[in-house]
Amino acid sequence: GAVVSQHPSWVICKSGTSVKIECRSLDFQATTMFWYRQFPKQSLMLMATSNEGSKATYEQGVEKDKFLINHASLTLSTLTVTSAHPEDSSFYICSAPGTGYNEQFFGPGTRLTVL
Amino acid sequence: GENVEQHPSTLSVQEGDSAVIKCTYSDSASNYFPWYKQELGKGPQLIIDIRSNVGEKKDQRIAVTLNKTAKHFSLHITETQPEDSAVYFCAASAGTSYGKLTFGQGTILTVHP
Repeated sequence: GAVVSQHPSWVICKSGTSVKIECRSLDFQATTMFWYRQFPKQSLMLMATSNEGSKATYEQGVEKDKFLINHASLTLSTLTVTSAHPEDSSFYICSAPGTGYNEQFFGPGTRLTVL
Repeated sequence: GENVEQHPSTLSVQEGDSAVIKCTYSDSASNYFPWYKQELGKGPQLIIDIRSNVGEKKDQRIAVTLNKTAKHFSLHITETQPEDSAVYFCAASAGTSYGKLTFGQGTILTVHP
């Protein structure tokens, strides 16, 4: 099946710094990718839909200026957490649609810890 | 928007027993219902899915049933094994291609040897 990778797998940063997370579709092209956030022992919450060549679509309550998304190519989407604070510590997961109807493939996730 | 409710939140079974997890959804436009297994520190892995034009789908020890009228769907795992222990999530998606998923709250399944 299709493979989605994320980099880094984990990152620790100081409060106030920015962190960039990459999501790549390894063997297929994705004009759309999704970014989710998952807090410990909770479900996945959709943050935004990343669209290649156009602006991302953010879910209600997600600050677009804090979570910058860039979908620069058909295989790469990036999520930048700007001015990170401890409450941004979470597990960030991306997904990309496969060729099947509504099928999605998930990346392995990125654990962000903000000190 | 769509709302997906999942029960139970935790489920403990003995090896060899069956496990059933249930979900309800609110949006009658939803027509794709996947189930994911998530192990600690990893991303979700699709284990089975069902589309609204069928009522049941089976893949070896795993089956999913869908009742569109009642807006609920269930995951059935038979002959459970310790390696089935994980968090399971149901999800629902509307009919457009590349539809975004709404997830249930998750079920922690523990299979005791």
